[in-house]
Amino acid sequence: DAKTTQPTSMDCAEGRAANLPCNHSTISGNEYVYWYRQIHSQGPQYIIHGLKNNETNEMASLIITEDRKSSTLILPHATLRDTAVYYCIVRVDQAGTALIFGKGTTLSVSS
Amino acid sequence: NAGVTQTPKFQVLKTGQSMTLQCAQDMNHEYMSWYRQDPGMGLRLIHYSVGAGITDQGEVPNGYNVSRSTTEDFPLRLLSAAPSQTSVYFCASSRPPPRNTIYFGEGSWLTVV
Repeated sequence: DAKTTQPTSMDCAEGRAANLPCNHSTISGNEYVYWYRQIHSQGPQYIIHGLKNNETNEMASLIITEDRKSSTLILPHATLRDTAVYYCIVRVDQAGTALIFGKGTTLSVSS
Repeated sequence: NAGVTQTPKFQVLKTGQSMTLQCAQDMNHEYMSWYRQDPGMGLRLIHYSVGAGITDQGEVPNGYNVSRSTTEDFPLRLLSAAPSQTSVYFCASSRPPPRNTIYFGEGSWLTVV
């Protein structure tokens, strides 16, 4: 029972921004929003996380709505290597040690 | 820096056999965990550990055992393999919250026939 809703798949042209939405309407006040991606069948790779404020790092930007019920991951200039399954995660186990994954969004970047 | 290392990468087992998937991390992380991923699905948590000597169950623990005798190692044991355990297994490690970015290994592909 993942607490997030993501589109099953999205397409993006190479060089354009990829905007991946995520709904998490039941998020608790102390729960972070995490984004990971999985390329082919490799181990998931951390992208970014945030609590309330928008965040940016060398890989992506994370925009969280003021009510925290949804967020958007932005890859500013998508490349073919960004083709992957992207997971939005807001649920952790009770100890805060591990992530609970949903099915994610398959992003296909094409030239 | 090797990060999280899993062995073996590929394994075929017969039903009823036992085996151990090895996981080692060299980042001195307190937290370690095991996930499985079935085709077309997201990852599901099997077991986790918050430190040496401490383990607990995740979402799908049945049929698996773990132990944590050192900070570096977190082996996953399949007691009596079943075809339903055919999957890709990922080991992960992290520091405690709030600095708990989770790092994953490259996976172990297990087929039970």
